[in-house]
Amino acid sequence: AQSVTQLDSQVPVFEEAPVELRCNYSSSVSVYLFWYVQYPNQGLQLLLKYLSGSTLVKGINGFEAEFNKSQTSFHLRKPSVHISDTAEYFCAVRKNTGNQFYFGTGTSLTVIP
Amino acid sequence: DVKVTQSSRYLVKRTGEKVFLECVQDMDHENMFWYRQDPGLGLRLIYFSYDVKMKEKGDIPEGYSVSREKKERFSLILESASTNQTSMYLCASSELAGVGDTQYFGPGTRLTVL
Repeated sequence: AQSVTQLDSQVPVFEEAPVELRCNYSSSVSVYLFWYVQYPNQGLQLLLKYLSGSTLVKGINGFEAEFNKSQTSFHLRKPSVHISDTAEYFCAVRKNTGNQFYFGTGTSLTVIP
Repeated sequence: DVKVTQSSRYLVKRTGEKVFLECVQDMDHENMFWYRQDPGLGLRLIYFSYDVKMKEKGDIPEGYSVSREKKERFSLILESASTNQTSMYLCASSELAGVGDTQYFGPGTRLTVL
């Protein structure tokens, strides 16, 4: 079975500071990895995804994530956050042969002016 | 541009009412999903469908049913709404594994059951 762990439920960070949101997964097979962002009262938007190839993936709004197979991690980073980055962030995995997606419980990022 | 729409953004219903939540996608995707989202619990899968008239139970199907009569439309039904079904409901769609990889979400329906 797949599982996704987001260790930090809430992350406060000052504006223009760097941030890392952590995601670990467990799977016995190859997976696709995703980060989604959810702004208040909205659905989820895709931030970035890892399918194969380069382990460093760049997404929208200056975010990037690095796939580490040995540590089964896919941490999300941004070198300098903005107020508008305040949102809920979800990590998700999908088996490369499966139709179902598995989500973490989310990390609430609050950027402090 | 891909689009998943949900029939209502906000809904208020009374205990015992039958509730229909509708979802439509215009991307010709095979897979469609219904999740509920609650604080601290993330997204939990209620049901998903990989083809017309086909459905699979997710992690929390109790108290819910679904209908997929057409490829583009996936309905979530609460047969007799209860207060513990007050939640944000999210619909999503994706292509089949091996064809596509990303899941696309609708804006969500915030349901309150009084």
